[in-house]
This record gives sequence, C-alpha cells and structure tokens, in this order.
Amino acid sequence: AQSVTQPDIHITVSEGASLELRCNYSYGATPYLFWYVQSPGQGLQLLLKYFSGDTLVQGIKGFEAEFKRSQSSFNLRKPSVHWSDAAEYFCAVAANQAGTALIFGKGTTLSVSS
Amino acid sequence: EAGVTQFPSHSVIEKGQTVTLRCDPISGHDNLYWYRRVMGKEIKFLLHFVKESKQDESGMPNNRFLAERTGGTYSTLKVQPAELEDSGVYFCASSQVAGAIYEQYFGPGTRLTVT
Repeated sequence: AQSVTQPDIHITVSEGASLELRCNYSYGATPYLFWYVQSPGQGLQLLLKYFSGDTLVQGIKGFEAEFKRSQSSFNLRKPSVHWSDAAEYFCAVAANQAGTALIFGKGTTLSVSS
Repeated sequence: EAGVTQFPSHSVIEKGQTVTLRCDPISGHDNLYWYRRVMGKEIKFLLHFVKESKQDESGMPNNRFLAERTGGTYSTLKVQPAELEDSGVYFCASSQVAGAIYEQYFGPGTRLTVT
C-alpha cells in the first residue's frame, strides 16, 4: 500500500537559516508528489508538485524540492527561512494515475525563532 | 475568485447527535473531495465526487457518514449518529479536470468535536 512518512513532527529553525523537511514515500509506480502548507486558520496551499522530468522542482514562496527515486524521498528545502514560513507542512502522493485521492504524511510543524 | 469555503468552521456536538458539514467548491470545478484529519494522525481521503456522482468513496469509514452533491455544486457531509472517534478536522478540496492529476484546492476545514 502507498504511504508517506514525514519523520520530523516538529522543527525549529532560526530566521534566515536554511530549512529541509524530509519526506519518504512508498509507492509501486511512478509517484506523483506534492508539498502543501497550512498556516493557522487557512486551508492547505500547494507549494509545489512533481510529476515527471527535472527532479528539482521550484515552488512558490522560495521553496524547492528534489525527487530522489533511489531514496524514495521528496525533501522540501528553502535557503533562508522567514518568520512567515511558520506553519504545518504536508507531503502527499497521489494514490493512482487518475489523480484522485491524495495520501498524506502526518505533517511537520515548523517554528521560526528570531 | 473565491476559494473553497466550508461551513461551519467549528462544530461541537454530543455523541449521538447529527451534524451536517457543507463545502462550496471553486466555481466550475467538477471534482470535489472530502478528507479528514483525526488529531495526531495524517489527513485521510474520504470520498471524491465528479459533478454529482460519487467517483470513489473507498475512504468513508462507515454508513454513519453520508455525502451528497446535488446538482454538482456544493456538497454536504452528514454524520448520523456522531461518535467520539468522529472528532477531527474535515477538509474539502476541489479541482478542475476529471481523470487527471491537477491541483486540489483546499478549504480551511471544519473542526468537529464530539463530546
């Protein structure tokens, strides 16, 4: 069965420091991968997605993620974190190629210290 | 353009009562999804509508949950009777094109507390 693992429940990063959020997936075929962010009181917002092609994908708000098939990973990165990046981040994989259900990890809460 | 809206934002009910959650997708989006996040767990898929038809309801936990999408516009999710384990945040999402992987736009969720 497909699954997504986000090993870190909570991460604290200093403002201006770099960030990497880990995501590992288990999926038999070509994965369709996503990162979403949820700020307090808001819905989930798509940061970026990977379907095929270049394994380094750029997203909104200065985020990027790299797909590594050999490691079954899709880690999210940002070179310099801003206080407004404090939120909960979710990695997800599409359950099938028809693109219906998303399978989510448990989420990583990011705190930003000044 | 308005995003996905959900009502109410928060509902507190007693065990055995009925609650109806509403989702208004982005105008023109044929696909509508329901997800649920129980505290401490991951967000889990409940079901998927294409227009007014249920495309996939494999995630519905049991027959106490009834989802409808009359006319292919807004959707309701009714829980009857509610149990303690139904507490959580219920998310609705919509997307534009059926049969392909397109971005799902999520609403802010309804937090359901069953006491």
